[in-house]
Amino acid sequence: DVKVTQSSRYLVKRTGEKVFLECVQDMDHENMFWYRQDPGLGLRLIYFSYDVKMKEKGDIPEGYSVSREKKERFSLILESASTNQTSMYLCASSFTTSGDNEQYFGPGTRLTVT
Amino acid sequence: AQSVTQPDIHITVSEGASLELRCNYSYGATPYLFWYVQSPGQGLQLLLKYFSGDTLVQGIKGFEAEFKRSQSSFNLRKPSVHWSDAAEYFCAAGEEEGYNKLIFGAGTRLAVHP
Repeated sequence: DVKVTQSSRYLVKRTGEKVFLECVQDMDHENMFWYRQDPGLGLRLIYFSYDVKMKEKGDIPEGYSVSREKKERFSLILESASTNQTSMYLCASSFTTSGDNEQYFGPGTRLTVT
Repeated sequence: AQSVTQPDIHITVSEGASLELRCNYSYGATPYLFWYVQSPGQGLQLLLKYFSGDTLVQGIKGFEAEFKRSQSSFNLRKPSVHWSDAAEYFCAAGEEEGYNKLIFGAGTRLAVHP
């Protein structure tokens, strides 16, 4: 069965801290994505990766970076957390870069920055 | 710019009633279209998708959607709603040559009255 896991369901951090969000998929998928979800805005793409060590900016990359050292793992990094980064973060993966592929989502990490 | 619009933020229906959730897209060509559902505390799950061919597509949990090119719409329907259908529903669109990136609508939250 397809599975995308995220390291934490809830996280509370202080302003200025460096934050790591981890995502692991066990399906040998090429593509991985990080989204943030905010009420009334839907899901917005932060970064995605179509191969190991490859990354592309999404629609809202400012304040974030990513790392993909292994195919199954995609990390989202907040270099210096700010209160406006309080949000729900969703990781997803898909088999290939083909546009008709289904994306499989993890359960999400609700991050609060105080 | 490419966009996906879900005009209804909240919808409330009675159990057993029919349901239609609206989705409009703005793309240069016919995009790949998806409907996802997010139950409370969960990640997103694919309900159905449209790429080409028959404009009426069937999905899981008794849902269907109809693609109407003339109206740039991809509305989701269910003939009889169950209490377990209470969730948030997202319409999304992508392109054939787009690294499987999706643009999501803002979502429609469905409440079901007994």
